[in-house]
Parts: sequence; C-alpha cells; structure tokens
Amino acid sequence: ETGVTQTPRHLVMGMTNKKSLKCEQHLGHNAMYWYKQSAKKPLELMFVYSLEERVENNSVPSRFSPECPNSSHLFLHLHTLQPEDSALYLCASSQGPTSTDTQYFGPGTRLTVL
Amino acid sequence: QKEVEQDPGPLSVPEGAIVSLNCTYSNSAFQYFMWYRQYSRKGPELLMYTYSSGNKEDGRFTAQVDKSSKYISLFIRDSQPSDSATYLCAMKNAGGTSYGKLTFGQGTILTVHP
Repeated sequence: ETGVTQTPRHLVMGMTNKKSLKCEQHLGHNAMYWYKQSAKKPLELMFVYSLEERVENNSVPSRFSPECPNSSHLFLHLHTLQPEDSALYLCASSQGPTSTDTQYFGPGTRLTVL
Repeated sequence: QKEVEQDPGPLSVPEGAIVSLNCTYSNSAFQYFMWYRQYSRKGPELLMYTYSSGNKEDGRFTAQVDKSSKYISLFIRDSQPSDSATYLCAMKNAGGTSYGKLTFGQGTILTVHP
C-alpha cells in the first residue's frame, strides 16, 4: 500500500449506530487530518493531529470522536449521527502541521446516515 | 462573506481549449496557495503550490497569484478529456497557530469533451 488509505470506502449507518472510519498513511508523516466534504460546500477541516496529539478541533460536534494511536493511523469514531452528517470524509497527512507542509489526501469514505 | 470564493461551474470546454479557473479571497494573511484536482470518487491530489505572488508553470498548467487583488488563477493549456475533474483552490496562513489549516474554495467542475 502506498500513500494514504481509508477504509471503508462506503458506509451506510442508522442514526443509532456506532461505527469507525480508519485512515492509514504510508508516507512517514507526523501530522494527520480529518476533513468533511459535503455537496456544494468547501472542504471543512475537522481535526488535526501532530505526533499523535490533537492540536486542532474545528468546533466539531462530540458525536465525532477522533483517535490517533500512532503517527501512521487515524480513526474517526461515529455515534448517534444525523442525516446532515452524510458526506465524504477525507483523511490527509503531511510531514508536519506547519504552513509549508503539503497535505496528501486519501480517497475518502462516503458516509450515508439514514 | 466566504473567506474563499470559487465559481462552482460547471465548466464545459472542447479538447484543446485553454481553461481559466479562478478564486478570490478575503484574508490578507494567506501566503500559500494551492490547486488540487479531484477526480470522481477520489481524494484531492495536489497540482500546484505557490508561495506569495507570482507565476508558476508545470507542463500545461500555470498558476498565478496576485496578492494585491486577492486573486489566484489556474490556466490549463491544450486541455484534454483526462483533465475533466473538480478543481479546488486552497490557501493557508504562514506560521502562527494555524497548524497548516487549509481553507478551500467550493471547487469548479470541469468537463473537457473530445
């Protein structure tokens, strides 16, 4: 595997379900990100991790819970979601979290909340 | 007012045409400017990266930044059907505590027809 991978690629869940999205980067990077991409809206940054420490939470509701057990893996735990949470969830990584570091994106998980 | 404005299109051009994609922004602190290309069902991939004002050329692609006008452009020469994708502009501050936060435009859907 190369680059940034995400699983599952598609997920359908009910509002009472609990599920998790997984991201893995094979680039030796130290920073990882979760973004949300909704139809007709710009990508929205959700969380930033640097060296496994959360450094940014962009006012995301608590029904989204990130976890970064090591610098290669990032999870997004989902519970009691709403239909408006349906979107493409993108993971990205970069060498560091600074301005000059290029972010590389995974293919995304297409989430549908019923 | 949105921080970054990008015409969502869609834009349809014949093969071989010159394509011009644009974004305007309001935050004068932005110093790094990027263009990402996103194919259907894929994550964004970095196409061009520019620091401050000026031009940058890479093959058929030219990125321009005019900080005085808060305006950035991406030109595609000799457009090909394989260029059909959504093009996202993105920008970020220099340093501070922005932790590499990218601010994206909405994306422009481009179709190049044979």
